[in-house]
Amino acid sequence: DAGVTQSPTHLIKTRGQQVTLRCSPKSGHDTVSWYQQALGQGPQFIFQYYEEEERQRGNFPDRFSGHQFPNYSSELNVNALLLGDSALYLCASSRTGGEDEKLFFGSGTQLSVL
Amino acid sequence: AQSVTQPDIHITVSEGASLELRCNYSYGATPYLFWYVQSPGQGLQLLLKYFSGDTLVQGIKGFEAEFKRSQSSFNLRKPSVHWSDAAEYFCAVGAVYKLTFGKGTLLTVNP
Repeated sequence: DAGVTQSPTHLIKTRGQQVTLRCSPKSGHDTVSWYQQALGQGPQFIFQYYEEEERQRGNFPDRFSGHQFPNYSSELNVNALLLGDSALYLCASSRTGGEDEKLFFGSGTQLSVL
Repeated sequence: AQSVTQPDIHITVSEGASLELRCNYSYGATPYLFWYVQSPGQGLQLLLKYFSGDTLVQGIKGFEAEFKRSQSSFNLRKPSVHWSDAAEYFCAVGAVYKLTFGKGTLLTVNP
């Protein structure tokens, strides 16, 4: 049973570009959350998707957007990249209403903005 | 606003020694509290969580944590550390999906 898978694992972009990161949730999971982890920091909540809609959002600008597909996979899009967007982006999935709701994290996408 | 403070950035212990990682939180209501571990190049793995009930929580890999409301603390403990426990440890507070994490404590284990 595959866990949470993210692609790509590493990505290099330049300032002003746009990037799309992808996430496939663990089998049986229907909710996807995205977190940004800057170097030396704990992860910060970006947003959560359930039933193809953004349900909760953290303190991130509109340059950060997302999407959830009918198969529960998700994308994170970042427009007009800034140097400060360099970070590890983590996707986490869970099953809503499950007996033991908890987040399962992927290994992340390391984004470097030059 | 909710927040988490992990006072120790880096802790070094010898293999077989006991371990306690500190976590203090600020939260407006009864908190949901979590401890996660992150190994290099890996995502976060949940060690244990506290929602309600018994304030001493048992987790995986021999870890436990104690919720102390009066001290706003949720410290992680292990009686005997193994070399494989070397990793970064994060305390978090919040709902299941929307967590606020501390900055983490890096654990080094000496042979």
